[in-house]
Amino acid sequence: DIVMTQTPLSSPVTLGQPASISCRSSQSLVHSDGNTYLSWLLQRPGQPPRLLIYKISNRFPGVPDRFSGSGAGTEFTLKISRVEAEDVGVYYCMQATHLGGTFGQGTKVEIK
Amino acid sequence: QIALKESGPTLVKPTQTLTLTCTFSGFSLSTSGVGVGWIRQPPGKALEWLALIYWDDDKRYSPSLKSRLTITQDTSKNQVVLTMTNMDPVDTATYYCANSGFGHWGQGTLVTVSS
Repeated sequence: DIVMTQTPLSSPVTLGQPASISCRSSQSLVHSDGNTYLSWLLQRPGQPPRLLIYKISNRFPGVPDRFSGSGAGTEFTLKISRVEAEDVGVYYCMQATHLGGTFGQGTKVEIK
Repeated sequence: QIALKESGPTLVKPTQTLTLTCTFSGFSLSTSGVGVGWIRQPPGKALEWLALIYWDDDKRYSPSLKSRLTITQDTSKNQVVLTMTNMDPVDTATYYCANSGFGHWGQGTLVTVSS
């Protein structure tokens, strides 16, 4: 099984400041078709998850450009350039390269 | 506009079989590349991927739950059905369906397993 490990698990941030979350996979996420199916999702309290980033660095329609994704192989990063109040919630990385999918444990982002 | 909605029982007894239905609109499971998946989330815990079915009836299951899960599709009704056998209290969770790109999710349905 693919294991997705996120760090940190909790991230207190200051409004207007940057934030960063890392995600490491136990195997390379490069698919045989050449794509890397690594996504980032945000789940606000009481809501279903919302897709932010797909295939490492592509923003889903409607996602603000303060969100960016990067990485390759087994190491990936989500960055928020300037945190806003609506960014509070739990962030998940997710791989869809192998079998069907695996989620990370989640990183809780809250305002200091 | 893509939409998905989960339906099914809110309470099941231990050892019973759970049947959940995902009814979707705005896309077709007859279209190449399209799929629908199921994900669950126990209260206060992380998301767990369960199963996925593609337009060509290719099915994928979580290795740890494979023996208990069955996913099927009814293209004419725009529905995907997930069955999970031998339910246990640890299976208490909100169950979500989503499209295979995970860009669109249902609101989820809370299933409690209790006698």
